[in-house]
Amino acid sequence: AQSVAQPEDQVNVAEGNPLTVKCTYSVSGNPYLFWYVQYPNRGLQFLLKYITGDNLVKGSYGFEAEFNKSQTSFHLKKPSALVSDSALYFCAVSEQTGANNLFFGTGTRLTVIP
Amino acid sequence: SQTIHQWPATLVQPVGSPLSLECTVEGTSNPNLYWYRQAAGRGLQLLFYSVGIGQISSEVPQNLSASRPQDRQFILSSKKLLLSDSGFYLCAWSQSLTSGGYNEQFFGPGTRLTVL
Repeated sequence: AQSVAQPEDQVNVAEGNPLTVKCTYSVSGNPYLFWYVQYPNRGLQFLLKYITGDNLVKGSYGFEAEFNKSQTSFHLKKPSALVSDSALYFCAVSEQTGANNLFFGTGTRLTVIP
Repeated sequence: SQTIHQWPATLVQPVGSPLSLECTVEGTSNPNLYWYRQAAGRGLQLLFYSVGIGQISSEVPQNLSASRPQDRQFILSSKKLLLSDSGFYLCAWSQSLTSGGYNEQFFGPGTRLTVL
């Protein structure tokens, strides 16, 4: 069975500093991995995905994520945080075969402090 | 380009009243469709998904139901709402795997339901 863990409920970072939002996953086969962002009272917005190939994936708004198969991780990163990055971030996983449902983590609230 | 619509945006309903939330997708055909509930602004709970007209899979037994009367229309319903049905309801679509999709889902703006 697939599962996703986001070990931090809350991450605080100063504006201009690098940020990392952690995600680990568990699947029986090869994973598809995704990051989404949610602003207050809005739907989720797709940020980036890992399907295959280069382990470093670049996405929207300057975010990137690194797929690490040995550590089963897919951490979200940004070199320099903006106050406008403050939001709720979700990691999700699905298997490359079978039903194409996504399994979401519980979310990490990122606060960028001016 | 594809767009997804949900309505209403907000809804306040008394306990025991019926519910109908609607979701429509434009700009694609034969999408997979999903209903999620998000409680307390955190985790997403998958309620239903559909891979085609009239095909509904339920993930969580409850007093809600879903229907897909048309290819790009997905409806969430209840005959009698409970207090515990309050939450933020999100509809999403994805391209089917047979159409070359990779499972990323695209979400609507959501409906905030308050049951009093």
